[in-house]
Amino acid sequence: AQSVAQPEDQVNVAEGNPLTVKCTYSVSGNPYLFWYVQYPNRGLQFLLKYITGDNLVKGSYGFEAEFNKSQTSFHLKKPSALVSDSALYFCAVRDVYSGYALNFGKGTSLLVTP
Amino acid sequence: DADVTQTPRNRITKTGKRIMLECSQTKGHDRMYWYRQDPGLGLQLIYYSFDVKDINKGEISDGYSVSRQAQAKFSLSLESAIPNQTALYFCATSDPTSGGSNEQFFGPGTRLTVL
Repeated sequence: AQSVAQPEDQVNVAEGNPLTVKCTYSVSGNPYLFWYVQYPNRGLQFLLKYITGDNLVKGSYGFEAEFNKSQTSFHLKKPSALVSDSALYFCAVRDVYSGYALNFGKGTSLLVTP
Repeated sequence: DADVTQTPRNRITKTGKRIMLECSQTKGHDRMYWYRQDPGLGLQLIYYSFDVKDINKGEISDGYSVSRQAQAKFSLSLESAIPNQTALYFCATSDPTSGGSNEQFFGPGTRLTVL
């Protein structure tokens, strides 16, 4: 089975501080991993993906993610959080058994306070 | 993403009614997907389609059906709606090139309430 887990329902961080949203994966074969963000009353927006290559992946809005094979993790990071980063974040893995659909984690709500 | 549109955006219906949710895309992608989002559960795959002649069930297809009328249109139907189908429904597309490494593009969602 291709799956991801997001161990935190909510992450709170002060504006200007670094943020990390955690994701671990369980896949057979090479993982294709994605991060999406959902703002209230909006669809999901793509942030970044890891396919192969460098373990540090840079994406939209200043976000980056670190792929760690030994720890089977793909944590989302940002050096300096903004209040506008407050949203729901989803980690996902490509499912080769379902037409390359995405298997999503449960989501982590990020709250950045001024 | 404005390239993927969903109608209606909100719908309230009653138990037992038939309802159709529509999705259209202008991205020219062959692959289309329907997901359901429930609070605390993430998104779950209902159906997916590789082209107009290739439709496949996802993990939670019971109670749903789909129609791929054209490359650009993929509709989801609830034949007889029940309250536990109350959820946020998303349509998504992806480019089939690059072996599935491409990201998916999501519509704005349809919020469905079944009373």
